[in-house]
Amino acid sequence: DIVMTQSPDSLAVSLGERATINCKSSQSVLYSSNNKNYFSWYQQKAGQPPKLLLYWASIRESGVPDRFSGSGSGTDFTLTISSLQAEDVAVYYCQQYFSTPVTFGQGTRLEIK
Amino acid sequence: QVQLVQSGSELKKPGASVKVSCKASGYTFTTYAINWVRQAPGQGLEWMGWISTNTGNPTYAQGFTGRFVFSLDTSVSTAYLQISSLKAEDTAVYYCARDTPITIFGVVIHDTFDMWGQGTMVTVSS
Repeated sequence: DIVMTQSPDSLAVSLGERATINCKSSQSVLYSSNNKNYFSWYQQKAGQPPKLLLYWASIRESGVPDRFSGSGSGTDFTLTISSLQAEDVAVYYCQQYFSTPVTFGQGTRLEIK
Repeated sequence: QVQLVQSGSELKKPGASVKVSCKASGYTFTTYAINWVRQAPGQGLEWMGWISTNTGNPTYAQGFTGRFVFSLDTSVSTAYLQISSLKAEDTAVYYCARDTPITIFGVVIHDTFDMWGQGTMVTVSS
């Protein structure tokens, strides 16, 4: 199984500042034949289901604000929120769908400092 | 409106069974597979497996064989998760989520989960 490890486990950032969350996979999730990383980021607010933010590591889902961006390839990925807003308080999860079982990171809790 | 709507919360005694539904609307049900994801209280997301809405073939992740059954009723665009012989540790929120897996040389490769149901809380307590 591919193990997804996020860092940090929790993060407190001031409003308007940058937030960065990392995710490392135990094996590459890059499919060489199409050069796509089978990797997503989700946001889960309290009492709500996860919401897709980014897929193929860096493609923003429709309707997601452009302050959210994703980068990385292979085994190391980063979610960046360029200017933190109050509504961004949530737990963020990374996910690989390169191989089964589909696996998620343990989550990173993002709070306002 | 494209959505997955799940059935309501359940309170069950140990040893009982529960059936959770996930009704799709706003899109052609058979164009997306349905995945099931468990989230224990205060914990992360755990993929339980998936069911092909074309063939009805279920695939279970390790740890979700035996007591867990995925099924469909395509006439009403609904997927089901049934859990039997419930235990306290089955207490969790269960989500359905859709994706479009493909098969390459016999290997299933999943896609991102672009839509999730609202979740169903199943509580197992005596």
